[in-house]
Amino acid sequence: RKEVEQDPGPFNVPEGATVAFNCTYSNSASQSFFWYRQDCRKEPKLLMSVYSSGNEDGRFTAQLNRASQYISLLIRDSKLSDSATYLCVVNGAGSNDYKLSFGAGTTVTVRA
Amino acid sequence: NAGVTQTPKFQVLKTGQSMTLQCAQDMNHEYMSWYRQDPGMGLRLIHYSVGAGITDQGEVPNGYNVSRSTTEDFPLRLLSAAPSQTSVYFCASSSGAIDTFGSGTRLTVV
Repeated sequence: RKEVEQDPGPFNVPEGATVAFNCTYSNSASQSFFWYRQDCRKEPKLLMSVYSSGNEDGRFTAQLNRASQYISLLIRDSKLSDSATYLCVVNGAGSNDYKLSFGAGTTVTVRA
Repeated sequence: NAGVTQTPKFQVLKTGQSMTLQCAQDMNHEYMSWYRQDPGMGLRLIHYSVGAGITDQGEVPNGYNVSRSTTEDFPLRLLSAAPSQTSVYFCASSSGAIDTFGSGTRLTVV
């Protein structure tokens, strides 16, 4: 079983729509959670960290459900520039464990 | 501030050749790592280092070697290239658990 699993999509949505997707993780002791964004043929870049209480960054909202071991990302008022692959990332179980486990990514395409 | 610099950006190797992918960071991060990314799969950790002189294996270390003689540099060596090593390689350095990635090396082994 993969450590981090994501629906690959693609999610094809019109501008202005809301799109949401989840990822699940297998290690119940994982400490930190992130969403990264990766544009085509580019390196991943941190989009946002995910906190236990949920958090927003502009049009992006991330949620963590430890009991069910999933993380979600919601994008409101989608823009063309939101088209990308979104990677769910989970770190290791130890406080000094910087090793990250990556999902394969969810592709979002926003159309005009 | 350059961040993480990877070279080369593209490389074609013949089976059996060896080469070194270079990675340098100027953020004074202790933790550096190498990943490979293949279609339909998440980034997979090849090797990592928690500081100069200390390296360890990740999820897919076979066929690769690393060293960390300085905080800044973390080269990845392919010992004898195989077609299965065709991939996109990313170097990253970390402050806490957040990686800053280099722009990647697209490697093709023929």
